[in-house]
Amino acid sequence: AQKVTQAQTEISVVEKEDVTLDCVYETRDTTYYLFWYKQPPSGELVFLIRRNSFDEQNEISGRYSWNFQKSTSSFNFTITASQVVDSAVYFCALGYGGNKLVFGAGTILRVKS
Amino acid sequence: KAGVTQTPRYLIKTRGQQVTLSCSPISGHRSVSWYQQTPGQGLQFLFEYFSETQRNKGNFPGRFSGRQFSNSRSEMNVSTLELGDSALYLCASSIGLAGPQETQYFGPGTRLLVL
Repeated sequence: AQKVTQAQTEISVVEKEDVTLDCVYETRDTTYYLFWYKQPPSGELVFLIRRNSFDEQNEISGRYSWNFQKSTSSFNFTITASQVVDSAVYFCALGYGGNKLVFGAGTILRVKS
Repeated sequence: KAGVTQTPRYLIKTRGQQVTLSCSPISGHRSVSWYQQTPGQGLQFLFEYFSETQRNKGNFPGRFSGRQFSNSRSEMNVSTLELGDSALYLCASSIGLAGPQETQYFGPGTRLLVL
């Protein structure tokens, strides 16, 4: 069965600190897709990144970076020099079986000024 | 391009009533998926519709149903509402042709409160 674990329930940092959100997944599929979404207080899930199981290259987009390691089944997300606007709930998700997503429980990120 | 829209945004119902939620996908997207988000259970997949047919289904009781119209708009219905149905219901759309590799784009959600 597919499962996504985000062990950090809540993280608080001070602005300009770097922060890493952990994501560990379980699947028996050899081909799978991993996603990160951001949910601001408004409620809408905002897509951040997609990664397929064959591409272990790390990716950087501005202050955001992602580290995908198949050996540890992890897909961690780092925000460099955090800002107050980064405060949100972040979800890691695994795509499988057609068009279904299984989500982790989410990590609440609070960035204080 | 307009994003995914959901109506209504907020809804208050009482136990035993039924409710219908609506979702309009991004233009050109033919797949619409529905998710329920609660504090206790998190985000859970309800079902997916593609070309007016239910293509995937999650583990929810038959009180939860949906349909999709020829213009890809989708509705979700919950009958005989229970207190535990209080949740944020999120709709997501994607092109629908490439399976799990497709990115799903989410709407703002409908917040349902059952009293």
